[in-house]
Amino acid sequence: DTAVSQTPKYLVTQMGNDKSIKCEQNLGHDTMYWYKQDSKKFLKIMFSYNNKELIINETVPNRFSPKSPDKAHLNLHINSLELGDSAVYFCASSRQSLAVPYEQYFGPGTRLTVT
Amino acid sequence: SQQGEEDPQALSIQEGENATMNCSYKTSINNLQWYRQNSGRGLVHLILIRSNEREKHSGRLRVTLDTSKKSSSLLITASRAADTASYFCATAYNDYKLSFGAGTTVTVRA
Repeated sequence: DTAVSQTPKYLVTQMGNDKSIKCEQNLGHDTMYWYKQDSKKFLKIMFSYNNKELIINETVPNRFSPKSPDKAHLNLHINSLELGDSAVYFCASSRQSLAVPYEQYFGPGTRLTVT
Repeated sequence: SQQGEEDPQALSIQEGENATMNCSYKTSINNLQWYRQNSGRGLVHLILIRSNEREKHSGRLRVTLDTSKKSSSLLITASRAADTASYFCATAYNDYKLSFGAGTTVTVRA
């Protein structure tokens, strides 16, 4: 059984379009994350939800909007896509103890290419 | 920046040899974690070491933590081709976030 799944795995789209990436975890974790990994493999946290509450909102363009309908799902919607949005986006989940993150379980990633 | 920095950036070794990579950070941590990423895949958690621990083992992996030097090392013993991957350290503070370094790319030659 897949622990953290993301769809789609690949996304190729044109500038200006709006797209969504979906994430689901079946680990019973309370906390979910979105990361962006650039071409140099640098992994940057974007957002995190704990029990459907937004707890991390890094300096990310407001074209990016996360939505957590329940604690097992965290989706990422991107409006007006730009070339610089091309990257691999990872969803992750973990248990949380107060404000301390423990081991995170990552999805397989969504490779977004904006042309 | 609170992220860890790995050293070296890249490492090439022969199968059977040991691989060591280091991670340095700047401010006191709650815990430090190591992850592996195979090409085209998501990150996989390897080991978590708490700030009050000095060494942990998991199979062929050994992690040390020196809080006085603000550094950690990951040792992979008796490397195999399947160990070819990027390895990341991630530092955890009391701010909900893990901060990842840029990673060490390890290539194990047959």
